[in-house]
Amino acid sequence: DIQMTQSPSSVSASVGDRVTITCRASQDISRWVAWYQQKPGKAPQLLIYAASNVQTGVSSRFIGTGAGTDFTLTITYLEPEDFATYYCQQASTFPPAFGGGTKVESK
Amino acid sequence: QVQLQESGPGLVKPSQTLSLTCSVAGDSIGNGGYYWSWLRQHPGKGLEWIGYVSYRGTTYYNPSLKSRLTMSVDTSENHFSLALTFVTAADTALYYCARQGAAAPGTYYFDYWGQGVLVTVSS
Repeated sequence: DIQMTQSPSSVSASVGDRVTITCRASQDISRWVAWYQQKPGKAPQLLIYAASNVQTGVSSRFIGTGAGTDFTLTITYLEPEDFATYYCQQASTFPPAFGGGTKVESK
Repeated sequence: QVQLQESGPGLVKPSQTLSLTCSVAGDSIGNGGYYWSWLRQHPGKGLEWIGYVSYRGTTYYNPSLKSRLTMSVDTSENHFSLALTFVTAADTALYYCARQGAAAPGTYYFDYWGQGVLVTVSS
């Protein structure tokens, strides 16, 4: 099974900051990574699929890059509503696996 | 707009069966093109995929839960279900249903989710 290792587990940031989250797959998964945002008490929301495609309705502040085993989610300008937990997920094979999550907290 | 809604008991006794149903609106399960999945999230923890059922009733389960799992689909009622047997406290979690891509490898992400239902295993 493919494992996803996400870092950091938490980051403290301020509104307006640029935030970068990384995810490493245990083997080559081409571009098949998705990123989700989860707010407390809510279900995860799909942000990015196929490494860099922004889901309809999602802000262009969210940028996904990477291929192979290394992937990055960048929030270019942190807005108040972006404080949340973010997860990567490999979408290449079954069983799908998630990273451990990155909590973006207010500094 | 696709909407999913989980339903089922919030409290299950140890060794009994956890049964949940996910009702789908805004999409027809019978149209195909997607897998219909269950995931869970232990309190304060990350996400775990449990398994999927297709519109034809084909299933694929997480190997870690496979021996205790049954998933089914009812296309006439447009809902799908989960049964997890012999539950323990370790099965206490927030359970989500979600629509999952099925077109090809690389599309296995989850684009619509239910709000989740908390299931507690306790006597």
